[in-house]
Amino acid sequence: GENVEQHPSTLSVQEGDSAVIKCTYSDSASNYFPWYKQELGKRPQLIIDIRSNVGEKKDQRIAVTLNKTAKHFSLHITETQPEDSAVYFCAASKGGSQGNLIFGKGTKLSVKP
Amino acid sequence: DVKVTQSSRYLVKRTGEKVFLECVQDMDHENMFWYRQDPGLGLRLIYFSYDVKMKEKGDIPEGYSVSREKKERFSLILESASTNQTSMYLCASSLIGSKEQFFGPGTRLTVL
Repeated sequence: GENVEQHPSTLSVQEGDSAVIKCTYSDSASNYFPWYKQELGKRPQLIIDIRSNVGEKKDQRIAVTLNKTAKHFSLHITETQPEDSAVYFCAASKGGSQGNLIFGKGTKLSVKP
Repeated sequence: DVKVTQSSRYLVKRTGEKVFLECVQDMDHENMFWYRQDPGLGLRLIYFSYDVKMKEKGDIPEGYSVSREKKERFSLILESASTNQTSMYLCASSLIGSKEQFFGPGTRLTVL
């Protein structure tokens, strides 16, 4: 089955710096790659996603890149702010209507003011 | 806005007790999921359901069962709670054909 590896497990950056979180997946049939953000004590929420027919997607300060050949995808956050501090989860999913996601183990991002 | 609610935010039970965790969504989603979240292990799928009375095992179904009698409600059952089931339990739902999952607030279960 699918396996998703996520690195690093913790990341500390200074406010204004960029942060990059990387994930690799094992199943070449996976075609959907979302990123969820979980603030302390809150539920995970989708922040950005990408499908396998696209190499990059951007939404303001957040971008995701996908390399299908290497089977890895990355989350890029530019101009980080203290409110970006959270745990970020990547996930991968294959086709089909059931929408099952396989999650990475998460990255705890701390943005220091 | 999609709303996914869970019956309790915090729950304390004793070893051997039968435990019911309830999840309700109000957006007519076909798919519903139960995860457990443990530090350093991420979100692990316990069970999911893509229709009423349908259920499928996820990655860690041992010690758990589920019930989906109505479309909006998905229950997780711990038949005989054990201390290694102390965890945060998250419910999620999604529309059929959509991959975006909407999560509930979670239930932090402690088994003594």
